[in-house]
Amino acid sequence: DTGVSQNPRHKITKRGQNVTFRCDPISEHNRLYWYRQTLGQGPEFLTYFQNEAQLEKSRLLSDRFSAERPKGSFSTLEIQRTEQGDSAMYLCASSPVFEANTEAFFGQGTRLTVV
Amino acid sequence: EDQVTQSPEALRLQEGESSSLNCSYTVSGLRGLFWYRQDPGKGPEFLFTLYSAGEEKEKERLKATLTKKESFLHITAPKPEDSATYLCAVQPSTSGTYKYIFGTGTRLKVLA
Repeated sequence: DTGVSQNPRHKITKRGQNVTFRCDPISEHNRLYWYRQTLGQGPEFLTYFQNEAQLEKSRLLSDRFSAERPKGSFSTLEIQRTEQGDSAMYLCASSPVFEANTEAFFGQGTRLTVV
Repeated sequence: EDQVTQSPEALRLQEGESSSLNCSYTVSGLRGLFWYRQDPGKGPEFLFTLYSAGEEKEKERLKATLTKKESFLHITAPKPEDSATYLCAVQPSTSGTYKYIFGTGTRLKVLA
């Protein structure tokens, strides 16, 4: 399978704990995106990378959230001191840079539940 | 502010009953408009990209069209397996950003 891979698929954590999610994009896709989606809403932009550079972060993203993409390959999203409001589906997507088509392809997401 | 509005929020159709979903957008220049299908608990699945007014794309029972202010996703003779949430997104052509802005989606239920 050469699609976007996200791990874990599900995560249950206690309030105040730190969690880390991993995303492996489609091979050779330069851009990588993180989105958050709550029930009944569309995906909400969090941040994106072009290669290893984090080029844009949402103003809604608190200091407890950090993302990395070392060496421009896989990416991790860490949430520190989780809160119940962080419960959501976290989606990763990737897209190529130098292509005529600019669509992004999504992974299956990581469902986070904070109890 | 860049914005995407989808209507209706939910739609119930009988199998074979054709209909259209609407996506209205306000954006400072459009790099592309995208349609996705999302099944419960899954990530969005890419359907179409539209770049300029007048453009149309088709795939099986789905046809997407684009004007300067909105896009339509036409569903012809739908089947129960077409039941899903359909998401519309835009990518503004504003310099320095490549993010996608999504609407809240239309939840489609096709009854056998």
